[in-house]
Amino acid sequence: GQQLNQSPQSMFIQEGEDVSMNCTSSSIFNTWLWYKQDPGEGPVLLIALYKAGELTSNGRLTAQFGITRKDSFLNISASIPSDVGIYFCAGLQSGAGSYQLTFGKGTKLSVIP
Amino acid sequence: GAGVSQSPRYKVAKRGQDVALRCDPISGHVSLFWYQQALGQGPEFLTYFQNEAQLDKSGLPSDRFFAERPEGSVSTLKIQRTQQEDSAVYLCASSQRTSSHEQYFGPGTRLTVT
Repeated sequence: GQQLNQSPQSMFIQEGEDVSMNCTSSSIFNTWLWYKQDPGEGPVLLIALYKAGELTSNGRLTAQFGITRKDSFLNISASIPSDVGIYFCAGLQSGAGSYQLTFGKGTKLSVIP
Repeated sequence: GAGVSQSPRYKVAKRGQDVALRCDPISGHVSLFWYQQALGQGPEFLTYFQNEAQLDKSGLPSDRFFAERPEGSVSTLKIQRTQQEDSAVYLCASSQRTSSHEQYFGPGTRLTVT
């Protein structure tokens, strides 16, 4: 099925550094969601974006819905060890099947204390 | 409040066996979704229920996969005659309203077919 292109695939950062990851698609999405998944657990919703150009924050997390509606990025400021995990972007399209989340392959984040 | 729960958390099946995976959505959530997550991949959509009605089963990989939600709450995903390629984590998600885009996931069931 359709996939979102998420990058980078993995990253190693020092505690306290800022992190940036992004997601792109060849198709337009009307909603972008960012999830975090810890080992052995299901994805946990971090941020939801509903309008092109929207910039939304949740604590140290900031996400933006791209103007073209074909991309989104997630920033994490001042990373801490508990930020470790896999971050997924997910998109929703309009029309038939508009409830089906399409996921990226994830960005695996490792934080070095 | 309680989140989405799934059982069992782990299931090992011999090839050819049938399995049943259960999902308890958040109480009152109208919409329920099943996703399949292969190792190292993002989740992929399988099927969608609005209350007890299965409105979309386009993601089910074969006719060996069957899902139901008879009373509009608990759902069961059944896989008949399991194959090795069925090994994956099966995730259930629910959302509050049909118009809600925020899906909340359970911890998943890891199925291993030997």
